[in-house]
Amino acid sequence: AQKVTQAQTEISVVEKEDVTLDCVYETRDTTYYLFWYKQPPSGELVFLIRRNSFDEQNEISGRYSWNFQKSTSSFNFTITASQVVDSAVYFCALSEGAGGTSYGKLTFGQGTILTVHP
Amino acid sequence: GAVVSQHPSRVICKSGTSVKIECRSLDFQATTMFWYRQFPKQSLMLMATSNEGSKATYEQGVEKDKFLINHASLTLSTLTVTSAHPEDSSFYICSARSGTRYSETQYFGPGTRLLVL
Repeated sequence: AQKVTQAQTEISVVEKEDVTLDCVYETRDTTYYLFWYKQPPSGELVFLIRRNSFDEQNEISGRYSWNFQKSTSSFNFTITASQVVDSAVYFCALSEGAGGTSYGKLTFGQGTILTVHP
Repeated sequence: GAVVSQHPSRVICKSGTSVKIECRSLDFQATTMFWYRQFPKQSLMLMATSNEGSKATYEQGVEKDKFLINHASLTLSTLTVTSAHPEDSSFYICSARSGTRYSETQYFGPGTRLLVL
C-alpha cells in the first residue's frame, strides 16, 4: 500500500524567511510519480510539480525548489524568501506507475498549513 | 496549462434532495476523471474513478448508489449525491488526468461546497 506522510501539520514563518515542507512516502512500486499541490483558501488545488521516480534531478522554479531523495524516500519542498501569498495548505501526493492496479490514483499526505506573516 | 471547471461552486439543499455536480475539462480530453471529498482541515479522500464510456470504480466504503457517477463524454463527468443528508455536507473536488504516459498529471477543479440542511 502507498502512504505519504507530511509530518509538519502547521508552519508559521515571517515574510522573507525560507521554509521547507517535508514529505516522506512509502511504496512498493519501482515506478511512481510524486506531486506537490497548493491549496489556497479558495479551495482549488494548484499543481506545482511532478517528479518521476526514475528522475532524481532536483528542480528549481523561481522561489520554489524540490529535493527528491530516493534513498530516504523523501520529496521535500522549499520556498525561498517566502511571501504572504504563499500562505496555503500544501499537499504532497504519490501515484503508482502504469501497469499497477492503482495506476493514476493519487495518495495524498495530510497537508501542511503554511502561514506567512508580514 | 490544463483547465478543469466545476459547477456549481456552492450548493445548499434540503435533506432528501439530490444534487448534481459537473466536472469539465475545458482544453483537453480526459478519459479518466477522479472525484474526491475533503472535510474541513483534512486531506483529500478519493471517492471514485470515472471512466469515459464505462462504469465508475468506487473506493472501498463509498456507496455507489449514493454517489452516482456518469462520464458521458471525454470532457464531462457528473457526480450526483442522491437523497442527500447533512453528513454528506463536504467539499467535493474533481480532477482530470492529462498528459502522456510518463508525464500524466491530475489537474483539479475549483471544488463544490455542498451544505445539506
